[in-house]
Amino acid sequence: IAGITQAPTSQILAAGRRMTLRCTQDMRHNAMYWYRQDLGLGLRLIHYSNTAGTTGKGEVPDGYSVSRANTDDFPLTLASAVPSQTSVYFCASSAGQGNSPLHFGNGTRLTVT
Amino acid sequence: GQNIDQPTEMTATEGAIVQINCTYQTSGFNGLFWYQQHAGEAPTFLSYNVLDGLEEKGRFSSFLSRSKGYSYLLLKELQMKDSASYLCAALDSNYQLIWGAGTKLIIKP
Repeated sequence: IAGITQAPTSQILAAGRRMTLRCTQDMRHNAMYWYRQDLGLGLRLIHYSNTAGTTGKGEVPDGYSVSRANTDDFPLTLASAVPSQTSVYFCASSAGQGNSPLHFGNGTRLTVT
Repeated sequence: GQNIDQPTEMTATEGAIVQINCTYQTSGFNGLFWYQQHAGEAPTFLSYNVLDGLEEKGRFSSFLSRSKGYSYLLLKELQMKDSASYLCAALDSNYQLIWGAGTKLIIKP
């Protein structure tokens, strides 16, 4: 593979359930990000990681957690899903310099019922 | 507060030229990105501007005026495959990206 792989592609989840969205990159990028995209709104940053072993909160972190145990993987966990977390989730990576462009995965479409 | 404004939707004709505008208000400024996003797909990088002026890449050009907080993306010789959303994003003083909601471009034959 070359780039970023997200799994699953789509998921329907009952409210209250726990869910982990997976993200793996093979570009050896230092920085990784999780965004959600909702109709009529810009991409909103959930969490980010500037390098393996560190994470930070974005604009909308509540209800989500992340870990960055190594360079390649950056999973996003919803501890107890709520309907307002219905969205399309994009994982992205960059080389880490401030003006480096983002490379996005193909997204996970999550529906919480 | 920090804000990006771009039109919600634009329509243009195949073969024509279209200009998509973006105005930004950020705490500091470290450059502006344009991304293309086809329906149901991931955003892909188009351009980055940090200095005033026009940068040309084939049929696509991007312009920046830092003093006016303004950028535009110019698409020439429009093709049906250019139907997509175009996302404007500015880097603030902390190198955080501030995203616009995107402009949906509809190309008609």
